[in-house]
Amino acid sequence: DQQVKQNSPSLSVQEGRISILNCDYTNSMFDYFLWYKKYPAEGPTFLISISSIKDKNEDGRFTVFLNKSAKHLSLHIVPSQPGDSAVYFCAASDGGGADGLTFGKGTHLIIQP
Amino acid sequence: GAGVSQSPRYKVAKRGQDVALRCDPISGHVSLFWYQQALGQGPEFLTYFQNEAQLDKSGLPSDRFFAERPEGSVSTLKIQRTQQEDSAVYLCASSPPSVSPNTEAFFGQGTRLTVV
Repeated sequence: DQQVKQNSPSLSVQEGRISILNCDYTNSMFDYFLWYKKYPAEGPTFLISISSIKDKNEDGRFTVFLNKSAKHLSLHIVPSQPGDSAVYFCAASDGGGADGLTFGKGTHLIIQP
Repeated sequence: GAGVSQSPRYKVAKRGQDVALRCDPISGHVSLFWYQQALGQGPEFLTYFQNEAQLDKSGLPSDRFFAERPEGSVSTLKIQRTQQEDSAVYLCASSPPSVSPNTEAFFGQGTRLTVV
């Protein structure tokens, strides 16, 4: 039973437009959420996170929104750039972030010129 | 280097062979995690160390999997009598000590294990 779900295996967005990646979770004990970005043959790199006490966190072109009642979070990238093409993983923790993370299957974002 | 280092990068093992995968975390990082990532899937948690103590090994899929971190720095994941279903990328991650409970983990490049 997948506790973190990314239902879109891939997403294609034109350069300069907004990319919106979605993530749903089922475990109400999750209290910390992260997005990781992964290029081929590399390990995941941390992008942005949000605590369950917040509903929005912004860092430059990246914004994460959390809707606790819907158990849904999304990552917005604006404007999208070619270097953003990668696989994006949504991850969640129920231990304040210090314990192991539960990952989704990832969404492959393709930025088209 | 400044990042998490894993070796080997690639490992091909014959079914039934034992393998050992190494992780050098970032210096000073207290927490160390191992994950298994099968093709087309997200990373799945295997085990967690705080210094030399293995605090959680609930994700290890069978007793053929064993992890250690004897001196609280380098960690080794050992898989005995490898099976084809063990083929995956094994990721190691570390995170620093923090007064905040929310600390992201830094991942290595992974070891791709192929069992033939």
